Amino acid sequence: SAVISQKPSRDICQRGTSLTIQCQVDSQVTMMFWYRQQPGQSLTLIATANQGSEATYESGFVIDKFPISRPNLTFSTLTVSNMSPEDSSIYLCSVDRGTGGEDGYTFGSGTRLTVV
Amino acid sequence: TQLLEQSPQFLSIQEGENLTVYCNSSSVFSSLQWYRQEPGEGPVLLVTVVTGGEVKKLKRLTFQFGDARKDSSLHITAAQPGDTGLYLCAGATDKLIFGTGTRLQVFP
Repeated sequence: SAVISQKPSRDICQRGTSLTIQCQVDSQVTMMFWYRQQPGQSLTLIATANQGSEATYESGFVIDKFPISRPNLTFSTLTVSNMSPEDSSIYLCSVDRGTGGEDGYTFGSGTRLTVV
Repeated sequence: TQLLEQSPQFLSIQEGENLTVYCNSSSVFSSLQWYRQEPGEGPVLLVTVVTGGEVKKLKRLTFQFGDARKDSSLHITAAQPGDTGLYLCAGATDKLIFGTGTRLQVFP
């Protein structure tokens, strides 16, 4: 299965600033997924990123707050814009294992963001 | 909105005990997956169940998919401290929707 490198692994940011998180996959994948995990909680899907088209956002998430880039089939970025303390979470990217997701998904190790 | 409710939310047990975690939904999924997540890491896939009524065993872990493919259970026999972690079920359609999570602590 794919190996995902995600960075930064953690950051502490000032409110009002933006942070861009990068995910690099060691193989070409059609879709990449971005999740948020709030403290002590499960994972919530933010958006699905397809190469060559705009990302598809889930209810409650908007492009202005979480712009996503997908310049090629192995790389994606998620930006958390105009941050507030409520954005403090772990952000994770993932890809499916190549069979439409039925064989599971692989996740990056996450970016732990603290907004002060 | 597709929701996956897990129970219990928290579980704290002694080494050697058995436990069952439940995952219930009102939606049908093409497959149901179970993950374990440890601190500082992303979730790691344990198993995927696809067929209604399917049972899969992974050493001391037994996974079952409900006949209607809306619910699943994870049973751990003789839990060990290494089983400690956050257990997540996830339903797959065109994307992966996670359950609410069960945090398991196994004490020596």
